[in-house]
Amino acid sequence: EPEVTQTPSHQVTQMGQEVILRCVPISNHLYFYWYRQILGQKVEFLVSFYNNEISEKSEIFDDQFSVERPDGSNFTLKIRSTKLEDSAMYFCASTGRTYEQYFGPGTRLTVT
Amino acid sequence: RKEVEQDPGPFNVPEGATVAFNCTYSNSASQSFFWYRQDCRKEPKLLMSVYSSGNEDGRFTAQLNRASQYISLLIRDSKLSDSATYLCAVISSGGYQKVTFGTGTKLQVIP
Repeated sequence: EPEVTQTPSHQVTQMGQEVILRCVPISNHLYFYWYRQILGQKVEFLVSFYNNEISEKSEIFDDQFSVERPDGSNFTLKIRSTKLEDSAMYFCASTGRTYEQYFGPGTRLTVT
Repeated sequence: RKEVEQDPGPFNVPEGATVAFNCTYSNSASQSFFWYRQDCRKEPKLLMSVYSSGNEDGRFTAQLNRASQYISLLIRDSKLSDSATYLCAVISSGGYQKVTFGTGTKLQVIP
């Protein structure tokens, strides 16, 4: 069964550093998303991406964040200058012709 | 009022019990509704979409009440493996846009 994959599974970084989280969506999917979940809290929408551009973003997704689909398979989330409060699980998701989203296993980001 | 609201629980039920969760949403224009299951420190996994006519998948039944703006999930004959957090998710705008999740309801099925 096709699945969304994410790397790395755990990333530790120092405050102020840049991080890139990587995702490989399901191959025939067209719509891609990033979410975050701070420990013990709800899953929060960050951004949706379609046809090589952002289709919607939340208030969390400020200028420190960017997304890119550099080739036909990868979908990346970059955080330019990490803050302590960016520590969270980051989930990538993709969807095809239905509205049903399939999530990757997540990257746990720890900012020290 | 929160966009999507759920009782956080926990719901502690014995094996074999029937348990129901509700989820309310504030935007009457919401179009698509889902139930996800999330195990501790894992990703949300789609359990089922919720259709206007209601839908059933084995022991799980989902219903939508547009008039009262809530969706429900019924689990019959609970198994130990059903222990997880159940998230409702709502798409408010048309198309493949923003999905808003509830905080989740924790279910613990006890032997």
